[in-house]
Amino acid sequence: GAVVSQHPSWVICKSGTSVKIECRSLDFQATTMFWYRQFPKQSLMLMATSNEGSKATYEQGVEKDKFLINHASLTLSTLTVTSAHPEDSSFYICSAESLTGNEKLFFGSGTQLSVL
Amino acid sequence: SQQGEEDPQALSIQEGENATMNCSYKTSINNLQWYRQNSGRGLVHLILIRSNEREKHSGRLRVTLDTSKKSSSLLITASRAADTASYFCATDRDKIIFGKGTRLHILP
Repeated sequence: GAVVSQHPSWVICKSGTSVKIECRSLDFQATTMFWYRQFPKQSLMLMATSNEGSKATYEQGVEKDKFLINHASLTLSTLTVTSAHPEDSSFYICSAESLTGNEKLFFGSGTQLSVL
Repeated sequence: SQQGEEDPQALSIQEGENATMNCSYKTSINNLQWYRQNSGRGLVHLILIRSNEREKHSGRLRVTLDTSKKSSSLLITASRAADTASYFCATDRDKIIFGKGTRLHILP
């Protein structure tokens, strides 16, 4: 099946630093990628929809200047958490939808971000 | 805001028993999907059922959809320890929205 690689798996950083998370579709092209945030034992909250070659669409309440999303190619989207603070600590997951549009989402393995 | 809501929030059963999880949603949908998440990992797609379908099978999985009641159920038959995970329903209208999930624990 389709594989989505997310890197890094975990990251610990100091408050005020920026962290970049990569999401790559390895064996298919993804016109659309999604970024989610998940707190322990909670559901996935959609943060933004990333479309190749255009600006991301952010969900209500998500700060676009804090969570920078870039979808530069059909296989790569990045999420940069800028000036991270402890409240940004969370599990971030990306997913990708293939060009075939078969409505399934393929997920990365997630990134656990801990901001000290 | 979340569209789907799973019930129960947590479920513990003995290995070999069947596990049933339910999902209720609020608005009309194009399709409903079920995903599985092992702790600290990404989600894995299990099954998709379209709004014009009532039942679908995949291996030990059986999904039903009742659009009049805006509800779906996921049945896992002959459960195994490896089925221990969180299960989420996701509805697709303009975008895919996930429910809160059911944490399933299979007891040996």
